[in-house]
Amino acid sequence: EDQVTQSPEALRLQEGESSSLNCSYTVSGLRGLFWYRQDPGKGPEFLFTLYSAGEEKEKERLKATLTKKESFLHITAPKPEDSATYLCAVQPQSGGSYIPTFGRGTSLIVHP
Amino acid sequence: DGGITQSPKYLFRKEGQNVTLSCEQNLNHDAMYWYRQDPGQGLRLIYYSQIVNDFQKGDIAEGYSVSREKKESFPLTVTSAQKNPTAFYLCASRNTGELFFGEGSRLTVL
Repeated sequence: EDQVTQSPEALRLQEGESSSLNCSYTVSGLRGLFWYRQDPGKGPEFLFTLYSAGEEKEKERLKATLTKKESFLHITAPKPEDSATYLCAVQPQSGGSYIPTFGRGTSLIVHP
Repeated sequence: DGGITQSPKYLFRKEGQNVTLSCEQNLNHDAMYWYRQDPGQGLRLIYYSQIVNDFQKGDIAEGYSVSREKKESFPLTVTSAQKNPTAFYLCASRNTGELFFGEGSRLTVL
């Protein structure tokens, strides 16, 4: 069974204090790993797709990396507007249906 | 602008009433999905549809029903058989990779 575990569940940072969020996964062959940002009361917003180990992608203060067992979302010098829940999802290669498995998310609060 | 529109954003209903949540997309995507999100839990799949006139049950389909008569539309009905319908409902669509989500509908059963 495909599994996605995100840690920590919650993270509080001071503005400018860099940190990383973790997404560990177990999947029978990875087609893609996705990161989303979700603001309270809103739908998730797509951030990145990673396809193979060693791949990295960046967007402003965010950088996503991928290994064969986990992905990290690095946040450099975060600002209060980076506060949100960050969701990770994996899409296995097997099967004809495209059903990603989501983690429970990491709730990030950045204090000014 | 292309996107996914969910309505209503907030909905209050009495126990025993069926309610229908609307989801419309103008992205020309074939696949559409309905998820339920509860505090402290991940997204749980209710139903999904990969093409018009075809849909499949997800992990928590009991008490819900859907239709896919048009490519653009994928409405979700929460029936009186759903034991705990109060939740945040998210609709999504997909082309070839990531999912695109709507803004969500929050249903509260009084």
